[in-house]
Amino acid sequence: EVQLLESGGDLVQPGGSLRLSCAASGFTFNNYAMTWVRQAPGKGLEWVSGITCGGGTYYADSVKGRFTISRDNSKNTLYLQMNNLRAEDTAVYYCSKGYSCSSGAPFVWGQGTLVTVSS
Amino acid sequence: QSVLIQPPSASGTPGQRVTISCSGSSSNIGRDSVNWYQQLPGTAPKLLIYSDSQRPSGVPDRFSGSKSGTSASLAISGLQSEDEADYYCGTWDVSLNSRVFGGGTKLTVL
Repeated sequence: EVQLLESGGDLVQPGGSLRLSCAASGFTFNNYAMTWVRQAPGKGLEWVSGITCGGGTYYADSVKGRFTISRDNSKNTLYLQMNNLRAEDTAVYYCSKGYSCSSGAPFVWGQGTLVTVSS
Repeated sequence: QSVLIQPPSASGTPGQRVTISCSGSSSNIGRDSVNWYQQLPGTAPKLLIYSDSQRPSGVPDRFSGSKSGTSASLAISGLQSEDEADYYCGTWDVSLNSRVFGGGTKLTVL
């Protein structure tokens, strides 16, 4: 069974940094693209970033230059380094397994981790 | 304003058939396949339909998807109370070079 377990969400001040992790199991991690999607309180889904199995990365304009996605295939773990956080980054962040090596279309979702940016 | 346009709400009575639309453009729905997601209250989203019309294993055949040109639709037949949820469409936008979602449709079972 595919499982995705996010961690690292916390309360952080504006301008601060946070690193999210997503531990994957139940599938061959290095064969699939992975994606981060977020959902602000009471709002819809917003794609944040994706990484192909080959390491190609993609970012939403709203986080480009501030967030960095990466993966450690030896640890079956996906990361999202978030710097210079803003109040509008407050959301539940979901990790998801993609459809294939190159397609990050979310197929399986984790349970999410909450990031709150506030002073 | 989301790139993909969905009606904010839909409703139906048990047993009824409802459809939810998702309108896009030639740079997204017109170029890539559409997925649909169901988000029950307080839970993570779940894949309902992929590649426009395919159902993952475990998804009842009451749920079906279709696409024509730059629009897609999700149909739910034999509506049940447990179908009350938020539904989102999603695809890749080649102009934005990013994944995009609709704003979501809240389905109420009356």
